[in-house]
Amino acid sequence: AQTVTQSQPEMSVQEAETVTLSCTYDTSENNYYLFWYKQPPSRQMILVIRQEAYKQQNATENRFSVNFQKAAKSFSLKISDSQLGDTAMYFCAFMPYNTDKLIFGTGTRLQVFP
Amino acid sequence: GAGVSQSPSNKVTEKGKDVELRCDPISGHTALYWYRQSLGQGLEFLIYFQGNSAPDKSGLPSDRFSAERTGGSVSTLTIQRTQQEDSAVYLCASTFGPYSNEQFFGPGTRLTVL
Repeated sequence: AQTVTQSQPEMSVQEAETVTLSCTYDTSENNYYLFWYKQPPSRQMILVIRQEAYKQQNATENRFSVNFQKAAKSFSLKISDSQLGDTAMYFCAFMPYNTDKLIFGTGTRLQVFP
Repeated sequence: GAGVSQSPSNKVTEKGKDVELRCDPISGHTALYWYRQSLGQGLEFLIYFQGNSAPDKSGLPSDRFSAERTGGSVSTLTIQRTQQEDSAVYLCASTFGPYSNEQFFGPGTRLTVL
């Protein structure tokens, strides 16, 4: 079975600091996508960043970057220069190439404090 | 509209009643998904519609759950004889088509079964 594990239920960080959220996954697939989604209190899931497994280069979107370790099946999210608006639930998700279903982890609640 | 919309935003019902949840995908999106997010959990896949193909119902938890998509656009998720364990946020997402890996989410419907 394909699973996604987020071992940090809650994290906190001071504004302007850097925080890293962990994610590991289990699959026998070789080709897949990985995602980080943000869910603020409004409940709307927002795509933060995505990574294709065949790409060795780590994806970056402004203050958000990932550390993708395919052999270790690890996909962590680094948020630099944290802002109060980054406060939200963060979900790691996995999608094999030949399907359209996202498999989610249980999420990490991130609190950014002044 | 510009995004995925869902209605109602919140629904409170009594155990045993039937409920209908509605999703309006982004115009032109051919694929539509329903997910369930229980308290403290990640998103659980329920059902997937792609164009005129038969829906993938593999995630529906029981035969009390059903969904339809009329005219390839609006979708309705129906829960019959609701139980307290059905209380959750129900999220809808849409994409441009098969293997279009970015899913756009609606704000969800929070269902509370008393």
